[in-house]
Amino acid sequence: TQLLEQSPQFLSIQEGENLTVYCNSSSVFSSLQWYRQEPGEGPVLLVTVVTGGEVKKLKRLTFQFGDARKDSSLHITAAQPGDTGLYLCAGVWSSYKLIFGSGTRLLVRP
Amino acid sequence: DAGVTQSPTHLIKTRGQQVTLRCSPKSGHDTVSWYQQALGQGPQFIFQYYEEEERQRGNFPDRFSGHQFPNYSSELNVNALLLGDSALYLCASSPDKLNTEAFFGQGTRLTVV
Repeated sequence: TQLLEQSPQFLSIQEGENLTVYCNSSSVFSSLQWYRQEPGEGPVLLVTVVTGGEVKKLKRLTFQFGDARKDSSLHITAAQPGDTGLYLCAGVWSSYKLIFGSGTRLLVRP
Repeated sequence: DAGVTQSPTHLIKTRGQQVTLRCSPKSGHDTVSWYQQALGQGPQFIFQYYEEEERQRGNFPDRFSGHQFPNYSSELNVNALLLGDSALYLCASSPDKLNTEAFFGQGTRLTVV
């Protein structure tokens, strides 16, 4: 059974602070995706990482894929209230289905 | 270009009843997957349809079944509803079977009473 563990589960920070969210598994991913979900909405894809060691940037968000393709991190610089939401990582294995982590709920206080 | 659309947005059913949820994929997408998201949890994979056939299935009982039509739209059926089936049901479409890019609908909130 493929499992993805995300940490932390909850994070409450002040506007302007930096944060990092982690996604870990004992299995190797074909690729890994990060999503953000707001209440009452479906998840929205932020990025897909495919190559071990890959780093992608999306404005103030930096995504990194581990060299062994078993882990990933999301770093947000100078967080803003608009970053508030549920951040989900999802791994794709050879079976082509997405396996989601349980998510990190982020609250950025003004 | 419309994204993934799901209907209905909210639904209340009684335990033991049956329910059908509908999904229209993003234009150009031929692969549709269904997920169940319980409150405070990440989405759990139910199954995936491609070329009108179920290709992959998660750890869900046979009470959960689905269908994909020639226009790539899809239905999720749940029989003999249990209180524990209350959740947000999400449909996602992809341009390929590898799920390199999955686009989600806004979901159907099912409440079983």
